[in-house]
Amino acid sequence: DAGITQSPRHKVTETGTPVTLRCHQTENHRYMYWYRQDPGHGLRLIHYSYGVKDTDKGEVSDGYSVSRSKTEDFLLTLESATSSQTSVYFCATRQVNTGELFFGEGSRLTVL
Amino acid sequence: AQTVTQSQPEMSVQEAETVTLSCTYDTSESNYYLFWYKQPPSRQMILVIRQEAYKQQNATENRFSVNFQKAAKSFSLKISDSQLGDTAMYFCASEETSGSRLTFGEGTQLTVNP
Repeated sequence: DAGITQSPRHKVTETGTPVTLRCHQTENHRYMYWYRQDPGHGLRLIHYSYGVKDTDKGEVSDGYSVSRSKTEDFLLTLESATSSQTSVYFCATRQVNTGELFFGEGSRLTVL
Repeated sequence: AQTVTQSQPEMSVQEAETVTLSCTYDTSESNYYLFWYKQPPSRQMILVIRQEAYKQQNATENRFSVNFQKAAKSFSLKISDSQLGDTAMYFCASEETSGSRLTFGEGTQLTVNP
């Protein structure tokens, strides 16, 4: 399995505060992704990266930003958290030759 | 944009029986990948099976097999000899090879009963 770790695994915060979730990989995969999982919606893509400093928006990117300064790390930032951003967030990396995604354990964020 | 639809929010099956989960997708691409992922209560996402669209032969992995109907844009998952450990949320996903992004369906919660 790809070595993908997310931190923090659980976080409770208040509306209006900034939040950063970190994803770290040890597989040297070029592509990295942030998804959110909500009941009835499956996993929806927030942002993704196709290389260092190369990122693009997914289908639910409003209110989120990302940064990737190193191959290993992909950060997701909520500049001013809202209750609608309460969710479970998954980071994933992609194996180029098969297209398979490898996922982190998920980060549960609660915005009060 | 791609769309993936799973029309069965919940399903149940008796242990040792066979169950089929449905998935349809829409894409304008000629080449793409299709996947089934499993998410047990641990929340970890696990790849179950993968299909390349240009291959006509249906993929098989032990008790898991797919029925891939390219013209109908259908990609169903069949689980044979269901086991209690198969209880999980199952997600269908498609990826455009040109875009390198996976689009997921809403998920089907499968419960295997003893």
